[in-house]
Amino acid sequence: NAGVMQNPRHLVRRRGQEARLRCSPMKGHSHVYWYRQLPEEGLKFMVYLQKENIIDESGMPKERFSAEFPKEGPSILRIQQVVRGDSAAYFCASSRYILRTGSENTEAFFGQGTRLTVV
Amino acid sequence: TQLLEQSPQFLSIQEGENLTVYCNSSSVFSSLQWYRQEPGEGPVLLVTVVTGGEVKKLKRLTFQFGDARKDSSLHITAAQTGDTGLYLCAGVQETSGSRLTFGEGTQLTVNP
Repeated sequence: NAGVMQNPRHLVRRRGQEARLRCSPMKGHSHVYWYRQLPEEGLKFMVYLQKENIIDESGMPKERFSAEFPKEGPSILRIQQVVRGDSAAYFCASSRYILRTGSENTEAFFGQGTRLTVV
Repeated sequence: TQLLEQSPQFLSIQEGENLTVYCNSSSVFSSLQWYRQEPGEGPVLLVTVVTGGEVKKLKRLTFQFGDARKDSSLHITAAQTGDTGLYLCAGVQETSGSRLTFGEGTQLTVNP
């Protein structure tokens, strides 16, 4: 079974351009989470999606950032008009079930991330 | 303030030594996970604990979930250079939505 696949692994954008980050969850997983990590810091939650629905976007900046998880295809995190402060590693995770139930079956698995550099 | 506080933030030890990393919170978690992350890679899940007081062993690693499900510890016996990495605890809060909240991590360096 393939794990969570993210692409591209590295992305360089000039200020003002758009960045599109893709995430294909593990087979059978319908819950997707996006996180951002700055150097030597932990992961900060951005958004939680379940097929075609945004469930929790409390960690998303109010402007320029959007996410989707269409019925077909990967989840996309889009950053419009990127600025230097958007430079970070962006990680996607997926789970088969809702994480809340406190069971071992509710584990989340991470992709290798996309490292975005804004120049 | 950080929901999950990890300590120590940095730890440098010699090969063969034992160590313990702590993850503390004032909130109750329905489950807690430990991940290990290496530079340039994504976090890799080590263990999930769901029951208060639970102890799980993974070779030289021992994980414990506090009785009140507010804290956890990771103990490594006879550390090896291959244990070097960033250790992250993450939990699902009992009262919040379905997402993992991460601590800031413990950067462990095991020297030969």
